[in-house]
Amino acid sequence: EPEVTQTPSHQVTQMGQEVILRCVPISNHLYFYWYRQILGQKVEFLVSFYNNEISEKSEIFDDQFSVERPDGSNFTLKIRSTKLEDSAMYFCASSEDGQSFAEAFFGQGTRLTVV
Amino acid sequence: AQSVTQPDIHITVSEGASLELRCNYSYGATPYLFWYVQSPGQGLQLLLKYFSGDTLVQGIKGFEAEFKRSQSSFNLRKPSVHWSDAAEYFCAVAPSDSSYKLIFGSGTRLLVRP
Repeated sequence: EPEVTQTPSHQVTQMGQEVILRCVPISNHLYFYWYRQILGQKVEFLVSFYNNEISEKSEIFDDQFSVERPDGSNFTLKIRSTKLEDSAMYFCASSEDGQSFAEAFFGQGTRLTVV
Repeated sequence: AQSVTQPDIHITVSEGASLELRCNYSYGATPYLFWYVQSPGQGLQLLLKYFSGDTLVQGIKGFEAEFKRSQSSFNLRKPSVHWSDAAEYFCAVAPSDSSYKLIFGSGTRLLVRP
């Protein structure tokens, strides 16, 4: 069964450092998403991406964040200068279609710890 | 603003007992509604979804959910819980005029007693 894969599963980084979280969406999917879950809090939408551009982003997704599809398979989330409050589980998801009735498949997540 | 409330943080049931997990949403129109499950170390897996039509929807693993417009609820049920159902369950809403994002509830952790 096709799945969304995320690497690494756990990343520890020092405050102020740049970090790149990687995702390989399902191959025929066209829409890509990043969500995050701070420990003990809700899963929150960050950004959606289609046709090589951001289609929607939340207020969390400020100038410190960027997304990219550098090649035909990877989808990355970059945090330019990490802060302690960026520590969270980050989930990548993809869907075949951007309409809500299409199922979004989630990866297993990358736990980011900023120290 | 749209929101999703899952009032139960933890629920413990005995194996074989029935289960109901509560979800209430706040949205003016009828949203798209989802239940996801997250097992330890796993990603979020879709259990079922509601868009329109029959208000009782069937999902995977023997789960079902009922949409009640009058109560703004979308409760998840299972008639007989198995030990492997122990996980965290998330209700989510996608506003029908927004294609791209899901708004999640805070989750309910299900513990299953042998």
